[in-house]
Order: sequence, then C-alpha cells, then structure tokens
Amino acid sequence: EVQLVESGGGLVQPGGSLRLSCEASGFTFSNYEMNWVRQAPGRGLEWISYISKSSSPLFYADSVKGRFTISRDNAKNSLYLHMNSLRAEDTAVYYCASMRRDGYNPLLSYFAYWGQGTLVTVSS
Amino acid sequence: DIQMTQSPPSLSASVGDRVTISCRASQSISSNLNWYQQKLGKAPKLLIYGASRFQSGGPSRFSGSGSGTDFTLTISSLQLEDIATYYCQHSYDAPYSFGQGTKLEIK
Repeated sequence: EVQLVESGGGLVQPGGSLRLSCEASGFTFSNYEMNWVRQAPGRGLEWISYISKSSSPLFYADSVKGRFTISRDNAKNSLYLHMNSLRAEDTAVYYCASMRRDGYNPLLSYFAYWGQGTLVTVSS
Repeated sequence: DIQMTQSPPSLSASVGDRVTISCRASQSISSNLNWYQQKLGKAPKLLIYGASRFQSGGPSRFSGSGSGTDFTLTISSLQLEDIATYYCQHSYDAPYSFGQGTKLEIK
C-alpha cells in the first residue's frame, strides 16, 4: 500500500524556521518526482514546490522562492521542505504528493498520491 | 505563469442530478489538466488526469472533457458521498497551479 506520511509541523514564531519531512513507503520512491502543496485554513490548494527524481531541477512558487528549500534523500525514502523566514501567511496544512506520468504519454503528469498533511502555524 | 479559473465557486444540487464544473486556463495547456476531490478534513484525491483519463478505483459517474483552455468535470448522477470541494490543476509546466475550487453541496 502506498503511503506518504508528513511530520515536522507545529507552532513557530514569525521569522522562524521549520523542517517538514515526508516518509514514503509502498512504492519505489526514487522513481518518482515529488511536490509540496499547502492549504491555508478555509482556503484552496496552493502548489509550492517540485523536485525531480535526481533532485535537479527544482521549482518553487513565487510566494516561497528564496525562503523554502525542497530536498530528498532517496536512500531514506524521504522528502523534505526546509522553511525559513516564516510569515503568518505561511500558516497552512502542508501536503507532500507524488507525481506520476501516464505510461502512454509521459507528458501527462498528475499528483497520484497524497499524504495526510501536517499543520504549520506561524504566530507569536 | 498559467492561471486556472474555476466556475462556479459553489454549487447546490439534488441527488441524481447531472452536475458540471468548469475550469479555464489562461493559455493553452493541451490536455494537461487534472481534477481532484477533497472531502472535509481529508487530503485531495485524484479523480481525472489528462483532461479525460479516468483514475482507476474511482466512481465511473465522474468524467472529464476538454482541451486547450476549456475543461469540464461532469458527475452523471450526483450521490450523497460526492459532497466535497473539487479542484482543477494544470500540469503543463511549473508552477502547477490549482483552480480556486468548487464547493458542492446537496440540496
């Protein structure tokens, strides 16, 4: 069974840092591109970052560029999100999601599996 | 960056109704359009990918259509368990933005 389990969320003061983790099981993690998506309370989904299978290239939403860093450790089946200079508007549930590509048309990609999310609250 | 616009923002329908949700991209994204269902307090779940390709294991009453800039998610016969918020998302290139969501309620 495919599982993605996020951890590392919590309460942090504005300007602080936090590292989120996402542990994968039930599939060959190193074969999949990964993403982070967040959802502020009562709001919609916001894609924030992508990492390829080999850790290059990396992509970020403008809202987090320069403050957040995505990384992965394929030996540990783990994805990470290092968050610095946190702001109140970063308060959200953070989801990791694995990206799959269609077997017949690999240009078609989608977020196949999602974790349950971890809540980050930025407040003094 | 590609912007995704969904309509309507909310929708109320009766059990058994045919329901359609629209999604428009700010530029052509070919068939790189996915639909997700999110129930209250849960993670999103993939329904449709590649605009019309059905994700195995999902209910067959869900279908998708469209290409280029205009897309539609259709529920052929609404069921109680379909109460959720639905999101479109493009996967043409990063940033992989989502629509604002359509909250579906039962009359």
